[in-house]
Amino acid sequence: NAGVTQTPKFQVLKTGQSMTLQCAQDMNHEYMSWYRQDPGMGLRLIHYSVGAGITDQGEVPNGYNVSRSTTEDFPLRLLSAAPSQTSVYFCASTPDRLNSPLHFGNGTRLTVT
Amino acid sequence: QKEVEQDPGPLSVPEGAIVSLNCTYSNSAFQYFMWYRQYSRKGPELLMYTYSSGNKEDGRFTAQVDKSSKYISLFIRDSQPSDSATYLCAMSGGGFKTIFGAGTRLFVKA
Repeated sequence: NAGVTQTPKFQVLKTGQSMTLQCAQDMNHEYMSWYRQDPGMGLRLIHYSVGAGITDQGEVPNGYNVSRSTTEDFPLRLLSAAPSQTSVYFCASTPDRLNSPLHFGNGTRLTVT
Repeated sequence: QKEVEQDPGPLSVPEGAIVSLNCTYSNSAFQYFMWYRQYSRKGPELLMYTYSSGNKEDGRFTAQVDKSSKYISLFIRDSQPSDSATYLCAMSGGGFKTIFGAGTRLFVKA
């Protein structure tokens, strides 16, 4: 099993550009989420999904969009990149059971100049 | 004030030492407590998972939860250079939202 796969591993954007961070999982997990990790801030929840067609906002959703058309995929879209979005982004999944531990991908390092 | 406070370190210890990592929290609704280990340029991976107060042991690792003090700890016995990583505490009160500490960087010197 590959687990949670994130692409790309690294990305550099100019301010105002848009892009999509990809996340795919092969564990048939219902719940998927996106976090960003910044020094001294820990992991902060951006958006999450409890199943295909259902998404909701987390702690820091502004500037990001998500959709969930299949169980496997949960892409994160940056509509107009800003330097404040420079961060490491992690996708995570967990089975459809409350309070199950999260399975993380290896992250996408994004720099916005 | 953050919901979860964790000393960022770095913490440097010699090989074989006992390591103590700690987090405090403010939300009394938290019931599920986790420790994740994160190696450089990798995603966090679950190390320990406990419910409510008490101790849980797994090999060289022991997790303790004291809900009355809102304090959780992770102990690593006989620490090894391969334990060098960032350790993240995390907690949840039920539901899908998990709150993470900022992480403590640990270096174990051979």
